[in-house]
Amino acid sequence: EDQVTQSPEALRLQEGESSSLNCSYTVSGLRGLFWYRQDPGKGPEFLFTLYSAGEEKEKERLKATLTKKESFLHITAPKPEDSATYLCAVRGEQGAQKLVFGQGTRLTINP
Amino acid sequence: DAGVTQSPTHLIKTRGQQVTLRCSPKSGHDTVSWYQQALGQGPQFIFQYYEEEERQRGNFPDRFSGHQFPNYSSELNVNALLLGDSALYLCASSLPGTYGYTFGSGTRLTVV
Repeated sequence: EDQVTQSPEALRLQEGESSSLNCSYTVSGLRGLFWYRQDPGKGPEFLFTLYSAGEEKEKERLKATLTKKESFLHITAPKPEDSATYLCAVRGEQGAQKLVFGQGTRLTINP
Repeated sequence: DAGVTQSPTHLIKTRGQQVTLRCSPKSGHDTVSWYQQALGQGPQFIFQYYEEEERQRGNFPDRFSGHQFPNYSSELNVNALLLGDSALYLCASSLPGTYGYTFGSGTRLTVV
């Protein structure tokens, strides 16, 4: 069964303090690893999709990377508006129509 | 361009009652998936509809059922509500053959 584990569960940073969020996964036949941002009371907002080990994608202060067992979301010089829960999800061969999510990392950036 | 629209935004029901949640997919999308998100947890897949048929189902009891209409909009029905059904219910739409999902803002269901 496909599984996703995210760490840490919560992370507090000062504005400008760079860090990384981890997403470890097991999946049969990866068809995509997804990163979403979720603000309180809102639906997940799409950030990135990665398909193969070695792939990297960037958007503003965020950079996502992928290996065969984990993905990292690097946040560089974060701002308070980057505070949110970041969700990682995988789509595998067997459950091809569904995303399997981790529990998320709650990120707080203090000014 | 309207994104995914869900209604209602909030709902309070009593144990044992039935509820219907509604979703209009993003323009041009014809596939709709439903997810349940408990507080502090990641979303869990309930089922997906395409061409008015349930294409895949997650580990949810038969109390959870759905429907897709010819205009691609969808409903999620939950019967015999339990306290544990309290959650944010998310609808996501996509194009067939693509792996990108657009989520709505969800319906917050509280069962008392």
